[in-house]
Amino acid sequence: GAVVSQHPSRVICKSGTSVKIECRSLDFQATTMFWYRQFPKQSLMLMATSNEGSKATYEQGVEKDKFLINHASLTLSTLTVTSAHPEDSSFYICSAQTGGRQPQHFGDGTRLSIL
Amino acid sequence: RKEVEQDPGPFNVPEGATVAFNCTYSNSASQSFFWYRQDCRKEPKLLMSVYSSGNEDGRFTAQLNRASQYISLLIRDSKLSDSATYLCVVTFDTGFQKLVFGTGTRLLVSP
Repeated sequence: GAVVSQHPSRVICKSGTSVKIECRSLDFQATTMFWYRQFPKQSLMLMATSNEGSKATYEQGVEKDKFLINHASLTLSTLTVTSAHPEDSSFYICSAQTGGRQPQHFGDGTRLSIL
Repeated sequence: RKEVEQDPGPFNVPEGATVAFNCTYSNSASQSFFWYRQDCRKEPKLLMSVYSSGNEDGRFTAQLNRASQYISLLIRDSKLSDSATYLCVVTFDTGFQKLVFGTGTRLLVSP
């Protein structure tokens, strides 16, 4: 149980393209979803927290207009990297949680490469 | 200073060895502590929570020292499949809300 699916797993695209990443909880309802980013040899860093039906809360230094998050249902959250540039190339991972005291279950990540 | 610090390694050990990893955290208000495992280019997976009294799960033992703000993970009888990066994770609340990850310690177990 507690499976989180993330799609796509790999994206390579040109600079200036917008990229959408989907995060789905397959067998549970996720009241909260989280988006993380991991650069090579660095730790996972929380980008934003989203609750179904409300605006996402972004961490300091993360541009909300560049990283658009939509959490329209209890099983789906999307992250759109708008006008992506090479410095946005990273490993993006989502996680989902059923409630505040429950573990976060991670998706298998999306490796984004901007040329 | 990083919020969660770990020795990046790698730790190279033979099968059957016992290996220990340490982690320090800077925020004394930290509430919950975990060890995650991350395989190369994969998502992190929860290995175990860490409690003040210390806890054990099979070959894995975790310890927490709040006074020193120090967490440890001991792996006994290492297996080849234990090769991975071990992430020390801290939260500032009593649940699993905002996870703060260390950069991880890489373990390589050889035959």
